[in-house]
Amino acid sequence: GQQLNQSPQSMFIQEGEDVSMNCTSSSIFNTWLWYKQDPGEGPVLLIALYKAGELTSNGRLTAQFGITRKDSFLNISASIPSDVGIYFCAGRASSNYQLIWGAGTKLIIKP
Amino acid sequence: SAVISQKPSRDICQRGTSLTIQCQVDSQVTMMFWYRQQPGQSLTLIATANQGSEATYESGFVIDKFPISRPNLTFSTLTVSNMSPEDSSIYLCSVVSEGGDGYTFGSGTRLTVV
Repeated sequence: GQQLNQSPQSMFIQEGEDVSMNCTSSSIFNTWLWYKQDPGEGPVLLIALYKAGELTSNGRLTAQFGITRKDSFLNISASIPSDVGIYFCAGRASSNYQLIWGAGTKLIIKP
Repeated sequence: SAVISQKPSRDICQRGTSLTIQCQVDSQVTMMFWYRQQPGQSLTLIATANQGSEATYESGFVIDKFPISRPNLTFSTLTVSNMSPEDSSIYLCSVVSEGGDGYTFGSGTRLTVV
C-alpha cells in the first residue's frame, strides 16, 4: 500500500544534540501525526497537526504541518537517552479515518 | 484520549492453530483498526472493525485468515487462523475517538509461531 517517505531511516546522535526528521507525500493530507514506539510497546502519539502551516510543541518536541500539506517535520531539542526509539509519521488524507504511515526513523544515542 | 487494554501481550503458538486477540477500550470510540507490524517494519493496516457488521479488509488480508468481531463500541477481537511462522509479528489494535483526533494504540500482541 501507499507509504510516506520518511527520512532519515536512522540517526546516531550525541546526547544533547538536536534531531530533525521529516516526511513527505505525493498527495495532500489534512492531518499529520507523529508517534514514538519503544521496544515491546505500541506507538504513542507525540504531536497531532491539523492545519497547513501549524507549528506545535510538546516539551522538547516541535512539529510542523507543511504549507503544501504534503510534508511535515519533527524536531527534538537537546536529546536525552530516553529519546531512543523509533519515530513514525502518519498522515490522513480523507474522511475514512485511515492513516498512511512512514517507514520510521530509528534514533540511537551514541555511547 | 482512550485507554486500550490489549490481550494477550505475547504468545508462542504451534503452526496450524488459531489465536484470538482482544482489544478493550475504556470509552466508546468511533473507529477501531487492526494492524500488523513485522519486525523492524512500519505498520500495515489489516482491517477496519465495524460495529455490528463485517470488517473492511485491506488488500492482501482476508476474512478467513483474520476474522474480526466488533460486538459493541468498546470491544473487538482479531483471530489469526491456521497460523504459520510467517504470521509471527506484532498485532496492534488502534482506536479513533469522536471527532477524528486521538489515534490511540494498544501495547500490542507479540506473536511467535513455531
